[in-house]
Amino acid sequence: GAGVSQSPRYKVAKRGQDVALRCDPISGHVSLFWYQQALGQGPEFLTYFQNEAQLDKSGLPSDRFFAERPEGSVSTLKIQRTQQEDSAVYLCASSPLRQTYTIYFGEGSWLTVV
Amino acid sequence: DAKTTQPPSMDCAEGRAANLPCNHSTISGNEYVYWYRQIHSQGPQYIIHGLKNNETNEMASLIITEDRKSSTLILPHATLRDTAVYYCIVRVSGGGADGLTFGKGTHLIIQP
Repeated sequence: GAGVSQSPRYKVAKRGQDVALRCDPISGHVSLFWYQQALGQGPEFLTYFQNEAQLDKSGLPSDRFFAERPEGSVSTLKIQRTQQEDSAVYLCASSPLRQTYTIYFGEGSWLTVV
Repeated sequence: DAKTTQPPSMDCAEGRAANLPCNHSTISGNEYVYWYRQIHSQGPQYIIHGLKNNETNEMASLIITEDRKSSTLILPHATLRDTAVYYCIVRVSGGGADGLTFGKGTHLIIQP
């Protein structure tokens, strides 16, 4: 596709429910990032993939958060047993490995936990 | 990554040049200055980046001081669509795992 695509765009989950957020990066982009953005704050790094390898997951806030990219393309961020503090926008971004000047972001998945 | 300091908000009249300052006094020699912006309800958008020379593209100009401790993003003819949060970020370029560390940015409001 022309840009980074994320789905669902909006998700309302009941507390305790599991959610899965999907990211389709720009075709051919080796690097993939997930960020979390709370209301009124800047995006915060969650995790990074190079192809299918998850090289950095230092930003994942708890073991309820899990990300995968099994074939080095599409990625899924899963949140188990959601809590109200998980309410945020989850942004996916990708970049070509050799040209890391720019990182391209998707529109985000807006998660509200009620 | 070095930290940056930006004013929390700024106003600018439509059609005028918007000058957004950023301080990055602890920047390292191999760190670039990047600017991104985030329009409401959208993902961040790359604007421009530079190392030590001034840079210009179709969106903006970036002026970096000689000591590299501060920079200014210039939007030459601001329009209402330029209302957004602007993030100044310093980052080592060349490493795939090296992402972006966002601060709170500057909320630029373009007034009609």
